[in-house]
Amino acid sequence: AQKVTQTQTSISVMEKTTVTMDCVYETQDSSYFLFWYKQTASGEIVFLIRQDSYKKENATVGHYSLNFQKPKSSIGLIITATQIEDSAVYFCAMREGRGFASALTFGSGTKVIVLP
Amino acid sequence: EAAVTQSPRNKVTVTGGNVTLSCRQTNSHNYMYWYRQDTGHGLRLIHYSYGAGNLQIGDVPDGYKATRTTQEDFFLLLELASPSQTSLYFCASSGGRVSNERLFFGHGTKLSVL
Repeated sequence: AQKVTQTQTSISVMEKTTVTMDCVYETQDSSYFLFWYKQTASGEIVFLIRQDSYKKENATVGHYSLNFQKPKSSIGLIITATQIEDSAVYFCAMREGRGFASALTFGSGTKVIVLP
Repeated sequence: EAAVTQSPRNKVTVTGGNVTLSCRQTNSHNYMYWYRQDTGHGLRLIHYSYGAGNLQIGDVPDGYKATRTTQEDFFLLLELASPSQTSLYFCASSGGRVSNERLFFGHGTKLSVL
């Protein structure tokens, strides 16, 4: 069974700096997909970025990037030049690749507080 | 952008009450999901469906029923609500055509069982 673990419950950073948050996962599949979502203060959940397990290059979208360390089953999210609006809860999630029927499994989330 | 609409946004009921949460998506997605969010647990999958009439059991299904009446509509039913079901419920959808597709979420339903 797949499992996703986020051990950092809360991180505070100064505006315009870089924040890194961790996520480790467990799966028996050789093919899988890793996602990061952001939940804003209003409760809205939005997709940020994805890493496919067969890709060696770290995914990057805007000021979000991933640190994919496959041997360690780790997928960290890096946010550079943080803004106040980046204050949110960030969820890591995984879907195993065996067909379309598997749903996303989420971690417990990391709350990021960006201080002015 | 796919639209997922949940109703109601807030619901209060009593222990033993009957509750139905509704979800509609308007982007012709095949897959729809119900998750609950609780502090310290993140999002946990209750039920999901890949089409009208189909239902798949998730990770925390006890005490919940679900029904997918059309491609657009997915309902979550609590027939004998308990205080442990007080939670924030999210509906989501995805196309289901490829495995790396993302989910689109509704805005959530806050349920309180007194």
